[in-house]
Amino acid sequence: EPEVTQTPSHQVTQMGQEVILRCVPISNHLYFYWYRQILGQKVEFLVSFYNNEISEKSEIFDDQFSVERPDGSNFTLKIRSTKLEDSAMYFCASSVLGDRQPQHFGDGTRLSIL
Amino acid sequence: GENVEQHPSTLSVQEGDSAVIKCTYSDSASNYFPWYKQELGKRPQLIIDIRSNVGEKKDQRIAVTLNKTAKHFSLHITETQPEDSAVYFCAARVQAGTALIFGKGTTLSVSS
Repeated sequence: EPEVTQTPSHQVTQMGQEVILRCVPISNHLYFYWYRQILGQKVEFLVSFYNNEISEKSEIFDDQFSVERPDGSNFTLKIRSTKLEDSAMYFCASSVLGDRQPQHFGDGTRLSIL
Repeated sequence: GENVEQHPSTLSVQEGDSAVIKCTYSDSASNYFPWYKQELGKRPQLIIDIRSNVGEKKDQRIAVTLNKTAKHFSLHITETQPEDSAVYFCAARVQAGTALIFGKGTTLSVSS
């Protein structure tokens, strides 16, 4: 069964540094998402992406965050200047379409900001 | 915006018993309600979902019911097994939106 893959599995970064998290969505999926989960808390929506542009974003997704589809397979989340509170598990997800379609999650990248 | 409340936060059952987890949502425009199972340190895994035009859906030991009038939906697991132990999250999506809004999760423990 096809899966969403994410790299790296764990990223440790100094506060103030830029970090890029990478995802390869399922190949025939058209909608891509980033979510985050702070340890022990619920999953929170960050952003959705379709047709090379942002479809929707949450209040968490401020100017420090950006997303990009640099090629036909990768989908990236960039945090420009990391803060301690950015420490979380970041999940990428994808779905075939946007409306009422299942979103399939990757294994996540654990981001630790020191 | 949409808000999803989930209860209980923890649930302990004996193997073979049934487990029920309940969620309420605030936005009547929500039309899609998935349930995810998350084992420790792993990805949220979709286990069942229901759309707003359906009142109930079943998949083997798992069922979900939806009451649009009351704006609540529930996950039912019958004949629980130790491998059902995990954190379960409900979520809702608003019509014409893409974001899944998650509940806070229920930690289910099934003891043998």
